[in-house]
Amino acid sequence: EVQLMESGGGLVQPGGSLRLSCAASGFTFSSYWMHWVRQTPEKGLVWVSRINTDGSSTRYADSVKGRFTISRDNAANTLYLEMNSLRAEDTAVYYCARDHAGEYYFDYWGQGALVTVSS
Amino acid sequence: DIQMTQSPSTLSASVGDRVTITCRASQTISNWLAWYQQRPGKAPNLLIYKASNLASGVPSRFSGSGSGTEFTLTISNLQPDDFATYYCQQYNSYRTFGRGTKVEIK
Repeated sequence: EVQLMESGGGLVQPGGSLRLSCAASGFTFSSYWMHWVRQTPEKGLVWVSRINTDGSSTRYADSVKGRFTISRDNAANTLYLEMNSLRAEDTAVYYCARDHAGEYYFDYWGQGALVTVSS
Repeated sequence: DIQMTQSPSTLSASVGDRVTITCRASQTISNWLAWYQQRPGKAPNLLIYKASNLASGVPSRFSGSGSGTEFTLTISNLQPDDFATYYCQQYNSYRTFGRGTKVEIK
């Protein structure tokens, strides 16, 4: 059974940093592109970032470019999102999601991790 | 960016009804469209990809159609589990989602 489990969410002050992790199981992690998608009541679902199978190629939404870094450890079956210079507008539930065969839609999602940026 | 507009934003229906949700793209996206279901407090769940292909394990009462800029998700014989929020997502150029359609009990 495919499972994705996020961790690392929490409360952080504006300007602070946080690292999210996503532990994958039930599939060959190293064969799939992976993504981060976030959700807020105000903006809905918004794609954040993606990484290819070996980590050599990454893409970011303009809103997080230069502040967030996506990475992966295929030996540990884990996806990461390093978030720096956090702003109030980064407050959201962050989901990791598996890409279906490089086609940029998401066939499995984690349960989500809440990130709150507030003083 | 390609904008995705869903209508209606809320839909009231009864068990056994047939419901249709529309998603319009601000420019043509061929058939690069997916539909997701999200229940409260849960992650989205893939229903349809490439506009009309049913994802694995999804009941056949769900169907999708359309191409270009206009797409529909139809749920025939609405079941209690189907009361949820539905999102479309284009993947022709980057990835953008619609704002969702909540299907509630009439």
